Amino acid sequence: QQQVKQSPQSLIVQKGGISIINCAYENTAFDYFPWYQQFPGKGPALLIAIRPDVSEKKEGRFTISFNKSAKQFSLHIMDSQPGDSATYFCAASNQAGTALIFGKGTTLSVSS
Amino acid sequence: DAGITQSPRHKVTETGTPVTLRCHQTENHRYMYWYRQDPGHGLRLIHYSYGVKDTDKGEVSDGYSVSRSKTEDFLLTLESATSSQTSVYFCATGMGTSLGAFFGQGTRLTVV
Repeated sequence: QQQVKQSPQSLIVQKGGISIINCAYENTAFDYFPWYQQFPGKGPALLIAIRPDVSEKKEGRFTISFNKSAKQFSLHIMDSQPGDSATYFCAASNQAGTALIFGKGTTLSVSS
Repeated sequence: DAGITQSPRHKVTETGTPVTLRCHQTENHRYMYWYRQDPGHGLRLIHYSYGVKDTDKGEVSDGYSVSRSKTEDFLLTLESATSSQTSVYFCATGMGTSLGAFFGQGTRLTVV
């Protein structure tokens, strides 16, 4: 049972463009939605996170948009750069849960 | 990497042999997790710990056991390694399920 569905599986964006990755969740008890960035050979690193009491959070070029009624959240990377090329994972959890539940990941390639 | 050290970083072992992976943290985080990462599956939780000697199963726990005798150490044991356990294993730590998790660099395990 996959509780967090992530799309697309892969994404190619031109330098300077906007990268958009989407996730949908099922469990309405989830109250924490982070995004992780992973470079080859490295562990995932926390990029940005949001809680359901806000609809948007921005940190630099990275923005999370959150739609509680649709049970969806997305990551937007503005002015995408080749250095953003990595695998991105969305995740979700709640205080009563065991641990973060991850989506299957999106491989982003930013072409120069 | 939030003071998380995994050892070994790479290991090749034969089918049927026991294998132990170690995770050491210096952050004094209460929670520790073991995930495995496989292409097309993202990150899947194997076992987690919410305190010394307090552990529980995750999504893919069959064939694995864990132990946590000290706050800083969390061991993952494959009792009798199988080829299906060839994977990259990540340890993570955190202060709570709704407070994010921080990952180590991973251990690449190959079972031949």
